[in-house]
Amino acid sequence: DIQMTQSPSTLSASVGDRVTITCRASQRIGDSLAWYQQKAGKAPKLLIYKASTLESGVPSRFSGSGSVTEFTLTITNLQPEDFATYYCQQYNGYPWTFGQGTKVDIK
Amino acid sequence: QLMQSGPEVKKPGASVKVSCKASGYSFTIYGIAWVRQAPGQGLEWMGWISPYNGNTNYLPKFQDRVAMTTDTATTTVYLEVASLTSDDTAVYFCARKATPVSYYFDYWGQGTLVTVSS
Repeated sequence: DIQMTQSPSTLSASVGDRVTITCRASQRIGDSLAWYQQKAGKAPKLLIYKASTLESGVPSRFSGSGSVTEFTLTITNLQPEDFATYYCQQYNGYPWTFGQGTKVDIK
Repeated sequence: QLMQSGPEVKKPGASVKVSCKASGYSFTIYGIAWVRQAPGQGLEWMGWISPYNGNTNYLPKFQDRVAMTTDTATTTVYLEVASLTSDDTAVYFCARKATPVSYYFDYWGQGTLVTVSS
C-alpha cells in the first residue's frame, strides 16, 4: 500500500497567516493527489484534486502544488473558518489512502 | 446530495446496515465509496461500488465481512458490516467518486455513527 505522511500533525496559526501543510507519498503517484478539509462533526470537503486544481467554489486562498512524492497545501490569509483538519489522499495506486491529517488550530 | 441513515448501536458479533440515498445527479454514472473514521482518528477507505453494474472492490481487511449493495430504483447504496467488534465503532461516510474514472470524492454523506458496545 502507498503510505501518505503529513506534516506537521498540528499547526497553530493566527488569522491572516500563511500556512503550509506537506504530504509525502511512499511511492511515486504523479499528480494523483487530493486535499480535503474536515471540521469537527462534519464530513470532509474536497478542496483540491490533481494536486493543484481547485474544486469549484473553494476560495482562491487555498492552493496546492507538488508532484511525484511530495505535495503541499498552502492557505494564504488564514480565515476563522479555515481552522479545521486537513487530509491528503492519493488515488494513483490501489488501495487509495489518506494521510493521517493535519489539525490547524488557533494560536 | 447524499443522505445517510441514522446512528446505530450494536452488540459485538452483530451486523449493521447503513444506507446512503443519492439525489440530484445521474445515479448510475458515479461510483460510491465508503470511508470510516474511528473516534479521534483519520479517514480509512473501505471500498466502493459501481451503481451501474453492482461491481464492488473492497479493502482486503474488510473483504470477509463487508458487503456493499445498490438499489437503482431508490438510488440508494448500502453498506453492511458483519461480526462487529468494538474496533468497528466509527462514523461511516459514503462519498461519490468525482468522475467515473477518478478515485477522489466530491460529495459526501453526513456520516452515520455506529457504536459497538455490549
